[in-house]
Parts: sequence; structure tokens; C-alpha cells
Amino acid sequence: DTAVSQTPKYLVTQMGNDKSIKCEQNLGHDTMYWYKQDSKKFLKIMFSYNNKELIINETVPNRFSPKSPDKAHLNLHINSLELGDSAVYFCASSTGTGGRTEAFFGQGTRLTVV
Amino acid sequence: GDSVTQMEGPVTLSEEAFLTINCTYTATGYPSLFWYVQYPGEGLQLLLKATKADDKGSNKGFEATYRKETTSFHLEKGSVQVSDSAVYFCALTTGNQFYFGTGTSLTVIP
Repeated sequence: DTAVSQTPKYLVTQMGNDKSIKCEQNLGHDTMYWYKQDSKKFLKIMFSYNNKELIINETVPNRFSPKSPDKAHLNLHINSLELGDSAVYFCASSTGTGGRTEAFFGQGTRLTVV
Repeated sequence: GDSVTQMEGPVTLSEEAFLTINCTYTATGYPSLFWYVQYPGEGLQLLLKATKADDKGSNKGFEATYRKETTSFHLEKGSVQVSDSAVYFCALTTGNQFYFGTGTSLTVIP
């Protein structure tokens, strides 16, 4: 029973297209995150939501727009894709702000922009 | 701000060798500390954690002790196996978000 699941696992698309990545968690967590992992494995926080409210919005191009329809889902929509957007995107969840327990990660979405 | 600094890799060891991956942190509050492992093509999995000073986290033969006096959380394993080949991330949280080190790639050769 997958705790944090994201779809699709692989996404190959052309420059200029718009795409979405979906994430769902069944752990009952209040906080969800999007991280970007580059080719050197460096993990960078993009967004964080707590109970459907945006609480962290790092310096990310406004072509990236997160949406949280409920606290179990956090989707990432990307407009006008660029070559530099190619990376692995990870969704994660945790018990919430103030909680100091671990984050649980999805399997990642490998985005390749050609 | 909060941050994590970990030993750069890549690290290559022979099977049954001793492993240490260094990790130090900077935090304004009292963080919880974690080691995550990422196998090829997979997401990050929690390896072990410690939530307060002097706690020792352990799992699958790996250990790390939360040292407040040296702000460190070094990962150790006494005898590595080929199956331990992966990327290891040190991380911390004070509750608002998670901060990760740059990752250390470990390859264990038979």
C-alpha cells in the first residue's frame, strides 16, 4: 500500500508544452512538499503546503504552480516547459509544521524536456 | 539559516569495509536529524533518525549519533555490502521544512 504516490513516473515532452504531475498521500499527513533533484542529486525545496495552504514558496519561476485540492493531494503544474526544467521531481509529506518526524517521499517523476 | 553539510563523494569501498559519511549541521532551534538513502531510480527512504541530543539512530547495521556539542550526525556501518551501494543524504528539520545535504554516492565493490 503506497504511502506517497506520484504520477507519472516518467514524462518526456517538448519545450513549450504544459504538463502536470500528481501526488497523493494516504498517511493522513498535514504537510506536503515538492522537491526538485538535479543531475548532481542536489535536492531543492520548491513548495510546501500545510492543510491546503501554501507555506513555503521558494524562488521558483512562476511557470510552476502547485495546487492542493485537499490535504491528501498536491499537484504540480508547469507551463511553457524549458530544457532546464529537466530533473527528477519528488513529492513528500510529513506530519506538519512544528512536527519533527520524518518526511515520506514518493518515487519521483523524471521529467525530460526535449 | 538552517543547513546541512555532508562529506562529498563519491565513495568507493570494498565489501566488508568500514563506512563513515560525515555530516554536520547548523540550526537555529533543536532539530531532528535524519539519514535517507536513495537507491538508483527510486525515491528517498528513511534510513535512521534521532530527535534529541545523544540519541543514536540505527537500522540495517547503520548507526548515527546526534552530537550537539559538535553539531554532527555521522553515519557509520561496520561492514558494508554490495547492496548498500546508493546515495546517502543527511537531513534536518526544525518543523517548518527539511534541509538536505548534497548527498554522498557510495559504491561497494565485491
